[in-house]
Amino acid sequence: ETGVTQTPRHLVMGMTNKKSLKCEQHLGHNAMYWYKQSAKKPLELMFVYNFKEQTENNSVPSRFSPECPNSSHLFLHLHTLQPEDSALYLCASSQGGGTYTDTQYFGPGTRLTVL
Amino acid sequence: GENVEQHPSTLSVQEGDSAVIKCTYSDSASNYFPWYKQELGKGPQLIIDIRSNVGEKKDQRIAVTLNKTAKHFSLHITETQPEDSAVYFCAASTSNTGNQFYFGTGTSLTVIP
Repeated sequence: ETGVTQTPRHLVMGMTNKKSLKCEQHLGHNAMYWYKQSAKKPLELMFVYNFKEQTENNSVPSRFSPECPNSSHLFLHLHTLQPEDSALYLCASSQGGGTYTDTQYFGPGTRLTVL
Repeated sequence: GENVEQHPSTLSVQEGDSAVIKCTYSDSASNYFPWYKQELGKGPQLIIDIRSNVGEKKDQRIAVTLNKTAKHFSLHITETQPEDSAVYFCAASTSNTGNQFYFGTGTSLTVIP
């Protein structure tokens, strides 16, 4: 619908597992984002990529590792997560170039549960 | 950094009534304020935005007002309909922070038929 797809939509993993979240945008944008959405808290920006270069890393623990192989794809690699990492992980994209008024288009999110 | 507060956290209105959601921000340099709507099972979608050189903006049944002196902005929805039921987020950004939006905690709006 928005041009941003995320897979899987739901993921359950143990604390010792390694998994990856995938995001793809079909909008021709040059900036992509990972957000964490937890109940009763503001959306937390995790990572930003502009033209495949990481430009923001908001003190995210190293157990989250982003990868942006091209402007259309973004991955979030997960390993040795904690139960408090359970949340909805949202991917977004925008035109890019650091323009602060660019509309961000969000995917539907991946609901992650860490056991 | 910027801190955005949003109230109320939940809001119920009768169909046809108006709904108002308010946000305050802390960084006087913020000059762009988007509002996003998130329906169940979906990601947030932009519904309206306002820049600091404008005091009010309207788009059909929704409007946003901005008071830069007081550092607060509000979303107004008139003639509410059941499909307006969703979670609404305000955000603030400034040219100093590039792509980064600072979001509020969200308001869950329920429109009762």
